[in-house]
Amino acid sequence: DIQLTQSPSSLSASVGDRVTITCRASQGIRNDLAWYQQKPGAAPKRLIYATNSLQSEVPSRFSGSGSGTEFTLTISSLQPEDFATYYCLQHNSYPLTFGGGTKVEIK
Amino acid sequence: EVQVVESGGNLVQPGRSLRLSCETSGFSFDIYAMHWVRQVPGKGLEWVSGISWNSESIGYAASVKGRFTISRDNAKNSLYLQMNSLRPEDTALYYCACDCAGDFWGQGTLVTVSS
Repeated sequence: DIQLTQSPSSLSASVGDRVTITCRASQGIRNDLAWYQQKPGAAPKRLIYATNSLQSEVPSRFSGSGSGTEFTLTISSLQPEDFATYYCLQHNSYPLTFGGGTKVEIK
Repeated sequence: EVQVVESGGNLVQPGRSLRLSCETSGFSFDIYAMHWVRQVPGKGLEWVSGISWNSESIGYAASVKGRFTISRDNAKNSLYLQMNSLRPEDTALYYCACDCAGDFWGQGTLVTVSS
């Protein structure tokens, strides 16, 4: 099974900061990685699919990059509505796996 | 309007069974893979099971393999999860999600396994 190691598990940042979250796969997954945002009490929402494709209606301050085993989600300028928990998901092969999550909090 | 509605969650004793349903509308259910994802309140997301559009490809997390069975009825635009031999660690909010461009999720149905 493919394991995803997400880091950091939490971070504190200010509005306007550039934020980077990393997801490392235990083996190559091509570009079969997505990023999700989840706010308390709500279902997850996909931000990025296929490593670097922006989901429709997601602001352009979100971007994804990487390939193989190392992937990154970047928020170029953190906004108040971006404080949430973020997860990576590999869909290269069954069983699919999520990363452990990164909680982005207000500094 | 897209709708994804899970149902069937309940309080159940360990060892018992439960069947979750996910009714959908507003998108082409019969051409997309579908998944069940669960989340213990306050914890992270765990993928549970997935099924291809034609039911030919199915996968399970190791934690549920042999106990849970996923199925779908394309004529009814519905997804199911038969959960047998339930354990306290299966307690979670269970989401139904479409593996499609639109990224459609329901609001979840709560399963509580406790004596």
